Amino acid sequence: KNEVEQSPQNLTAQEGEFITINCSYSVGISALHWLQQHPGGGIVSLFMLSSGKKKHGRLIATINIQEKHSSLHITASHPRDSAVYICAVRSIVGSQGNLIFGKGTKLSVKP
Amino acid sequence: NAGVTQTPKFRVLKTGQSMTLLCAQDMNHEYMYWYRQDPGMGLRLIHYSVGEGTTAKGEVPDGYNVSRLKKQNFLLGLESAAPSQTSVYFCASSYRPPWEQYFGPGTRLTVT
Repeated sequence: KNEVEQSPQNLTAQEGEFITINCSYSVGISALHWLQQHPGGGIVSLFMLSSGKKKHGRLIATINIQEKHSSLHITASHPRDSAVYICAVRSIVGSQGNLIFGKGTKLSVKP
Repeated sequence: NAGVTQTPKFRVLKTGQSMTLLCAQDMNHEYMYWYRQDPGMGLRLIHYSVGEGTTAKGEVPDGYNVSRLKKQNFLLGLESAAPSQTSVYFCASSYRPPWEQYFGPGTRLTVT
């Protein structure tokens, strides 16, 4: 069983729709990261959170530590949001707090 | 301020050849990482370094070696390339965990 599971694997939306991507994990964590991988391959960090909720522009990330679950929401989606969104957790067990990555959710937003 | 850079961007090797991938960062980060990304799999950690002169094995270290002689550089070596090492390689750096990681643009390596 993967330690970090994302759903859905693929998601197609129409421009303007509200989008939710889910991440569930099975280990104790000190932090959870959401990253975005552009079609060209570059990876950027969107959020790092250990509790509650964070908002940046049209992106909102929430985490429920008790349920071991996080969601990434995109409001008023736009074709430029098309990318792979990756959830990663920093386990409290193991050396140096290295990240464990999900397989990613590929989002395509149609105009 | 270039952030994290990787060279080369693309490379084709024949089985048995060797090569070195270079990662450089100008953010004075202590931690540096090498990952590989394969279709249908999440990023997997190959090796990492917690400071100049130190390296450690990650999840998939076999067939790779690394060196961190200078704080700003982290080198990944393949001594005898195999087709199973065909992948996209990403370097990343960070301050101490759990701070966010900054990724390089990636190196696409094909081993034939």
